[in-house]
Amino acid sequence: DSGVTQTPKHLITATGQRVTLRCSPRSGDLSVYWYQQSLDQGLQFLIQYYNGEERAKGNILERFSAQQFPDLHSELNLSSLELGDSALYFCASSEGSVNTGELFFGEGSRLTVL
Amino acid sequence: GNSVTQMEGPVTLSEEAFLTINCTYTATGYPSLFWYVQYPGEGLQLLLKATKADDKGSNKGFEATYRKETTSFHLEKGSVQVSDSAVYFCALSDRGQGAQKLVFGQGTRLTINP
Repeated sequence: DSGVTQTPKHLITATGQRVTLRCSPRSGDLSVYWYQQSLDQGLQFLIQYYNGEERAKGNILERFSAQQFPDLHSELNLSSLELGDSALYFCASSEGSVNTGELFFGEGSRLTVL
Repeated sequence: GNSVTQMEGPVTLSEEAFLTINCTYTATGYPSLFWYVQYPGEGLQLLLKATKADDKGSNKGFEATYRKETTSFHLEKGSVQVSDSAVYFCALSDRGQGAQKLVFGQGTRLTINP
């Protein structure tokens, strides 16, 4: 158990809809990272937050947004969903903003868009 | 930008065989290098890491040496077990824009047959 909790574990929705994925980081970790894992793209970095502020942005679509709340949990919002957004979305956390590469991953939220 | 290239899978071996999974990287500066492992139905876990050239990371019988001259970080294990069946990801730390994130390779699926 990594200590990172993601909900929901599975989500099935239709094209055009909007979903929210939630992540609770490990106790004491200030940084939260979101990654998308798909068969054709591999593991892609989306965005990082540190103590409530955005710190780094990767290949995140404009239809996607994220935020980190004062209690350090984070949400990833995916809107106007397309079939290609079907993927496993991972949240990871680390202690600080400059990390040694040791990220602690949740079990992921599997999104299926029909 | 920084990138990681892993040998394509899937890789299938018999128990007690020798394992090598190749990983090469492209990076500016001196990144840290990592191997993560993803067991079925779980999130990624850090397997081992090396933070500078010629460092050897090791854990659970796995080893990898940071080779700056060949920009490689190949994963090896002398005698694999069925329980080693998983997907293995090579990664490097990317310090762009003042924040650190991990850049992952595509992953290599390993299956060990008894």
